[in-house]
Amino acid sequence: QQQVKQSPQSLIVQKGGISIINCAYENTAFDYFPWYQQFPGKGPALLIAIRPDVSEKKEGRFTISFNKSAKQFSLHIMDSQPGDSATYFCAANGKRGTYKYIFGTGTRLKVLA
Amino acid sequence: EAGVVQSPRYKIIEKKQPVAFWCNPISGHNTLYWYLQNLGQGPELLIRYENEEAVDDSQLPKDRFSAERLKGVDSTLKIQPAELGDSAVYLCASSYASATGELFFGEGSRLTVL
Repeated sequence: QQQVKQSPQSLIVQKGGISIINCAYENTAFDYFPWYQQFPGKGPALLIAIRPDVSEKKEGRFTISFNKSAKQFSLHIMDSQPGDSATYFCAANGKRGTYKYIFGTGTRLKVLA
Repeated sequence: EAGVVQSPRYKIIEKKQPVAFWCNPISGHNTLYWYLQNLGQGPELLIRYENEEAVDDSQLPKDRFSAERLKGVDSTLKIQPAELGDSAVYLCASSYASATGELFFGEGSRLTVL
């Protein structure tokens, strides 16, 4: 299976709260798991990414948690800010010879001031 | 460094008319992608190029869609004839190589078919 399943579809968080978005995959050929952020009228831009040799990666307020056995990974946004309001996409890419850069369906995040 | 450039940003056409989108990737990026993004959905791959070779076009509706990447740099995506269901944003992205991670996206071309 080449799908990446993302949830929730939308999320409303108070300023300063924690936003959590989840993704699940089935194909064990995937070995790169990025999160992209997209603002209206713009193309997606890489936010943070992880490879399956680590279980967590943190960059500022953004953290990816990766569970290889469960084939799941999640994005945590700490101290969420109104400027974080955007659509977030998880994605997965395969190992050499199996490239298939697949995106999830997106989560629309709104952070209330 | 300039990013991925796409044109036109917006296009409105009548159904059955042809339309073309152009993409100029980041200099030195040998991999180029065309994605389709419907409203409220994630990008869906249409075609991937490694240099001038289309290495994955399995999702490209070849009866009406075509693409080319001359000299392994710029690329053009064409739809002929356009249908109402083709209304969407067409995103171009590039990367150094498929083996690495980050895709760099353009701002997209929004197509409206009337």
